[in-house]
Amino acid sequence: GPKVLQIPSHQIIDMGQMVTLNCDPVSNHLYFYWYKQILGQQMEFLVNFYNGKVMEKSKLFKDQFSVERPDGSYFTLKIQPTALEDSAVYFCASSLGQGGNTLYFGEGSRLIVV
Amino acid sequence: TQTVSQSDAHVTVFEGDSVELRCNYSYGGSIYLSWYIQHHGHGLQFLLKYYSGNPVVQGVNGFEAEFSKSDSSFHLRKASVHWSDSAVYFCAVSPSNYQNFYFGKGTSLTVIP
Repeated sequence: GPKVLQIPSHQIIDMGQMVTLNCDPVSNHLYFYWYKQILGQQMEFLVNFYNGKVMEKSKLFKDQFSVERPDGSYFTLKIQPTALEDSAVYFCASSLGQGGNTLYFGEGSRLIVV
Repeated sequence: TQTVSQSDAHVTVFEGDSVELRCNYSYGGSIYLSWYIQHHGHGLQFLLKYYSGNPVVQGVNGFEAEFSKSDSSFHLRKASVHWSDSAVYFCAVSPSNYQNFYFGKGTSLTVIP
């Protein structure tokens, strides 16, 4: 089936440093998402993105977070600066359209902030 | 405000047993309801969804779910589980006029061979 690729799969970073998580969504999809999961628990919505703009973001999407997808390349989540509580698995997802279209998830990027 | 409640954090059954994973939601408008499965160390994968029509929807690998408006529920069922069904199952609500998904906390299913 359709694949969402995430790079890197794992990253360890010092607190205060910047990290960029990369997502290659399904090729014809138009909506992109980031979710945060800690210890295999609830999938916490961070942000969704359409037509070059953030559509909605949650309270977890702090000022240190930003997303972009320049010129149809990777959809990225940047955290600058990182904090210890940012340690989690970050999942990228994409969908074709609105209103309940199926989400396709990547395998996740495990971020450890030390 | 929309909420999704999965009352059981963990469910353990034997291979061949039937199982029902519970999901209740609270939302005032028109919604899609769906279930996703997450095997350990992987992303979520779509199982099935409901919007209208027959309240019982069929998904992959023998899973089905039944929508009940009166109970605000969308429970997932399987008649005979296999050890490979061991995973975390997430129920999700998506408003029909909006593109976002709100997930429950997940139910971890363990199937003992």
